[in-house]
Amino acid sequence: DAKTTQPNSMESNEEEPVHLPCNHSTISGTDYIHWYRQLPSQGPEYVIHGLTSNVNNRMASLAIAEDRKSSTLILHRATLRDAAVYYCILRHNNAGNMLTFGGGTRLMVKP
Amino acid sequence: EPEVTQTPSHQVTQMGQEVILRCVPISNHLYFYWYRQILGQKVEFLVSFYNNEISEKSEIFDDQFSVERPDGSNFTLKIRSTKLEDSAMYFCASSEARVMTQGFFGPGTRLTVL
Repeated sequence: DAKTTQPNSMESNEEEPVHLPCNHSTISGTDYIHWYRQLPSQGPEYVIHGLTSNVNNRMASLAIAEDRKSSTLILHRATLRDAAVYYCILRHNNAGNMLTFGGGTRLMVKP
Repeated sequence: EPEVTQTPSHQVTQMGQEVILRCVPISNHLYFYWYRQILGQKVEFLVSFYNNEISEKSEIFDDQFSVERPDGSNFTLKIRSTKLEDSAMYFCASSEARVMTQGFFGPGTRLTVL
């Protein structure tokens, strides 16, 4: 699987936007970009995924660079409940169902 | 909103004992998974299951592990003879599609092996 690189931690203020970066310079043409998050003492939670185009859903937006070598998860207005570890995961379209989690980015939200 | 449930939330067992961790996936999902997370470490894939068969498994999922869908709603993970290093959070997940574009994870079972 192609590798992703994320900062270990980030801080944000409540009610401000948060941009969580992910580098994936070895991404292949059929790798989907997935984002999950894990709140404290909970299981991972799906956030969003995309292939080439930017994506929006009720939780977040995913901005994918034109060359697809990086992507950014955007939380438009951080709340205290968004404090979690955010994982950027690549999944090859022809691969099975396994998700390979890395270390993720620990997002801390300050009131 | 439908959710994956897991029981028990915490299981304590003696080394060498058998444990069964239980999961109820989302009712219309057909693909089921187990992941685990050792304290302070990454979430690791164990196994995926579809149509009463294992479709993928990782190196962690050795002969000590087995999975079963004993009825129409439950999905279980059995560890035959637990080891100290099996202590971890075990997460069940399910998805509607074969390709896990959107996986739903349960809250986990904390397994402590003494």
